[in-house]
Formats: sequence, structure tokens, C-alpha cells
Amino acid sequence: DIQMTQSPSSLSASVGDRVTITCRASQSISIYLNWYQQKPGKAPKLLIYAASSLQSGVPSRFSGSGSGTDFTLTISSLQPEDFATFYCQQSYTKPFTFGPGTKVDI
Amino acid sequence: EVQLEESGGGLVQPGGSLRLSCAVSGFTVSANYMTWVRQAPGKGLEWVSLIYSGGGTYYADSVKGRFTISRDNSKNTLYLQMNSLRAEDTAMYYCARDRLFRGPFDAFDIWGQGTMVTVSS
Repeated sequence: DIQMTQSPSSLSASVGDRVTITCRASQSISIYLNWYQQKPGKAPKLLIYAASSLQSGVPSRFSGSGSGTDFTLTISSLQPEDFATFYCQQSYTKPFTFGPGTKVDI
Repeated sequence: EVQLEESGGGLVQPGGSLRLSCAVSGFTVSANYMTWVRQAPGKGLEWVSLIYSGGGTYYADSVKGRFTISRDNSKNTLYLQMNSLRAEDTAMYYCARDRLFRGPFDAFDIWGQGTMVTVSS
């Protein structure tokens, strides 16, 4: 199985900050990498698919990059509603696997 | 409106069974890939199972042989039959649509609100 890791596991930031979250796969997954945001008590929400493509309706302050084994999610200017946990997920091969999550505190 | 609504969760004893349902509106279950993802209390997301539009199925090793994913096209509903339940199956279970973007790129783009399964004596 492909193992996904994320760093940091949590971070504290202020409104307006640029935030970067890193995801690493245990083997190359090309660009088969998705990012989700989950707020407490809610279902996850797709933000980015195929490493860098913004899902419809997602604010442009979110962006993704990377290929192979190393990926990043960037929030260019953190907003109060961005308080959440962010997960990466590989869709290169089954079983699909998620990273352990990065909790962003405002 | 596109919507997924899970039901069927609850408290069950170890070794017991439950069937989860995911009623879909706004798109056709049989024409899409559909998946189940679970989340243990305070933990991260774990992919559980997938059914292709063609009917092929896949499972996580942790549930293989115990869980069965299926669908009823006439009811536009996805199911997860869970047998031989264990304490470690305790989780919120989400159904989601697995969409193919730009050809081969799977991503879970529409999610239900989840149904809670608790396995305890």
C-alpha cells in the first residue's frame, strides 16, 4: 500500500498569512493527488484534484503543486473560515490512502 | 439538487451486522463510481470500498471478506453491508461520489453527511 505523510501535523496562523502544507507519498504517484478540507462535525470537501486543479467553487487562494512523491497545498491569504483539517489522498492505486491530516488553527 | 444521504448506522454488538444506505439525488448511482470512507472518532479518513459503474468492487484489506458494497439502481441507492463487526469498525461512515476528472484522475467530489456506527457490547 502507498503510505501518505503530511507535515506539519498542526499549525497556528493568523488571518492573511500564507500557509503551506506538505504531503509525501511512499512511492511515485505522478499527479494522482487530491486535497480535502474538513471542518469539525462536517463531511470533507474536495479542494484540489490531480495535484493542482482547483475544484469548481473553491476560492482561488487555495492552490496545489507537486508531482511524483512530494506535494504542497498553499493558502495564499488565510481567512477565518479556513480553520479546518486538511487531508491529502492518493488515487494512483487502490487501496486509496489518505494522509493523517494537518490541523490549521487560526 | 445533488445530495447524498446516509442512514442505517447505530449501536451494534461485536460480531453483529449492519447495512448502511446512501440515497442519492441529482445524479445516477449506476452511471458513477461510488465509494465509502470512514472516520473513527478523533481520527483521520480511511477509504473503505468502491464500486465502479460497471459493477466491479474494491475493498480495503481491513474490511475485505466482511463488508460488501452494492447498489440498487431502481432506488438510486448505494449500500454497505457490514458483517462480523469489530470494535475497530466504530466510525462515521461517509458515502461519496468518485468522479473521474480529466480522464483518469479519481477524486471524491460529493459527500454525504455521514452515519455513525458504534460497535460495542
